[in-house]
Amino acid sequence: RKEVEQDPGPFNVPEGATVAFNCTYSNSASQSFFWYRQDCRKEPKLLMSVYSSGNEDGRFTAQLNRASQYISLLIRDSKLSDSATYLCVVNQLYDMRFGAGTRLTVKP
Amino acid sequence: DAGVIQSPRHEVTEMGQEVTLRCKPISGHDYLFWYRQTMMRGLELLIYFNNNVPIDDSGMPEDRFSAKMPNASFSTLKIQPSEPRDSAVYFCASSMDREDEKLFFGSGTQLSVL
Repeated sequence: RKEVEQDPGPFNVPEGATVAFNCTYSNSASQSFFWYRQDCRKEPKLLMSVYSSGNEDGRFTAQLNRASQYISLLIRDSKLSDSATYLCVVNQLYDMRFGAGTRLTVKP
Repeated sequence: DAGVIQSPRHEVTEMGQEVTLRCKPISGHDYLFWYRQTMMRGLELLIYFNNNVPIDDSGMPEDRFSAKMPNASFSTLKIQPSEPRDSAVYFCASSMDREDEKLFFGSGTQLSVL
């Protein structure tokens, strides 16, 4: 079983749609969690950290469920510019494990 | 700030040749990471340094791979001899300190071993 698992997608959604990604992790001792965004042929960039109480940044909402060992990312009112691969990251003492990514395409 | 700087952007070499990838982290960042990304395996951590000292190299595939960080502003990842299965994008990333775990990635080196 992979340490961090994501649905690879692709998710193809129209502009304005709401889309959600989930990520599960196997190491219950994991301490911190993040979502990164990676555009085609570019480097990953931090999108947002994920806090236990859940957190929001504009159209993006991240949630953590430690009991079930999954994190989620919700994108509301999706834009064409949201098209990218979204990587879930789970960290334990700088052993940062990346999921394989979920590919999102937002279409006009 | 210029961000994490990697060179070269692209490297094409023949099997058996030595390859050296270079990285300059963001000034003031204490941690430096080398990752490899392929379609099959995604992003894999190869090795990371704290204050120029290698902390965990368990991700280094085999003895053909070596990494050094002679000072706070420079690191190299060397593959000798290179093999076609080493073809991948190699990313360097840096992070400020243990409390701030955010990774800042360089643009990567696309390595093709023929």
